[in-house]
Amino acid sequence: DTEVTQTPKHLVMGMTNKKSLKCEQHMGHRAMYWYKQKAKKPPELMFVYSYEKLSINESVPSRFSPECPNSSLLNLHLHALQPEDSALYLCASSHGLRLAAVGGTQYFGPGTRLLVL
Amino acid sequence: AQSVTQLGSHVSVSEGALVLLRCNYSSSVPPYLFWYVQYPNQGLQLLLKYTTGATLVKGINGFEAEFKKSETSFHLTKPSAHMSDAAEYFCAVRAGGTSYGKLTFGQGTILTVHP
Repeated sequence: DTEVTQTPKHLVMGMTNKKSLKCEQHMGHRAMYWYKQKAKKPPELMFVYSYEKLSINESVPSRFSPECPNSSLLNLHLHALQPEDSALYLCASSHGLRLAAVGGTQYFGPGTRLLVL
Repeated sequence: AQSVTQLGSHVSVSEGALVLLRCNYSSSVPPYLFWYVQYPNQGLQLLLKYTTGATLVKGINGFEAEFKKSETSFHLTKPSAHMSDAAEYFCAVRAGGTSYGKLTFGQGTILTVHP
């Protein structure tokens, strides 16, 4: 089973709202990722968690706040977003960051389509 | 550092025709290479990957790709296109080995299949 689930599928929020995106995997993966994808563009890496600790932050604005409560769950808390933050937010997971044997293959969820008004 | 170039942002084929999506990469270390497919309003699905070993790799849905180190290429092919293959395809590269390698994506190729 290579399933990563994300909720909600769609989200509309105002610029003063606080909302959260949720990502879950039950594959025993210890690395989890958040990506942002604008229309007709490839995904852009935002954050990487390894063993529930934040490993990489790709200079993402503080209005995006990630959280990894346990090895299966990854959240992205949103506050005071801008209209330009509207995008598809993708979560991914892999066995680990450095496992050469499996190539660190990342498995993606279906995404949350976010619209900021 | 690594980069990926996908030649052709749009490729159009007839149903039953050969599908060829081109991907060239640059990497300072031996690369791991991936092809992902994205259907409209969906996430990315792994089609196939090359890490080490056999250079011709087979994936899901009848797709395959060949790693050619001398040409720094990893082109995706399928002998006979099906209407359901219409989607966007992303080639991606990361550094091989045991050090962390960021996954770098190409700009994507939209495949259209005509009846």
